[in-house]
Amino acid sequence: DVKVTQSSRYLVKRTGEKVFLECVQDMDHENMFWYRQDPGLGLRLIYFSYDVKMKEKGDIPEGYSVSREKKERFSLILESASTNQTSMYLCASSLPGQGEKLFFGSGTQLSVL
Amino acid sequence: AQRVTQPEKLLSVFKGAPVELKCNYSYSGSPELFWYVQYSRQRLQLLLRHISRESIKGFTADLNKGETSFHLKKPFAQEEDSAMYYCALGFNAGNMLTFGGGTRLMVKP
Repeated sequence: DVKVTQSSRYLVKRTGEKVFLECVQDMDHENMFWYRQDPGLGLRLIYFSYDVKMKEKGDIPEGYSVSREKKERFSLILESASTNQTSMYLCASSLPGQGEKLFFGSGTQLSVL
Repeated sequence: AQRVTQPEKLLSVFKGAPVELKCNYSYSGSPELFWYVQYSRQRLQLLLRHISRESIKGFTADLNKGETSFHLKKPFAQEEDSAMYYCALGFNAGNMLTFGGGTRLMVKP
């Protein structure tokens, strides 16, 4: 059973703080993704990675960066958190060419005060 | 650029009534469409794919290229169908998905 684990279920941070969201998958998937989920806006892709040390910008990368030093781990970084980054963040992984078979983590609800 | 539109944010029906969740897309290539579902306190998961033409939990969806639609249908809604539903379009050689804004389905007893 594929597991995508996000380190925190709820996180509260202050404006200007540097925030790290961690995601680990145990199925040796090459592809990993970070989405944010907002009511009415659905899921929007922030960044994705097809391989170790590789990253590509998604639709809304501004204010975010990522790190993929190991195949199983994909970290999302908010360099200087702002209130408009309050959201549910979802990590997902998949095999190459099987992007529809996304396996999602349970999400991190981030509140920036 | 690809785009997925779900015009209804909320759909409320009574148990036993038919359900249709609308999805429209725009894409210049050959589309691959999917429906994802998120039940309360559960992870987002794949419900069905247009290419497999399957029925999952009584739901079906037909790709209509002429109308660029992929509506999700079920003849008789059940309370356990209450969830958030997302339509998604695959692109980039099957490696990427673009999601619609989602529709919350509420099935009342």
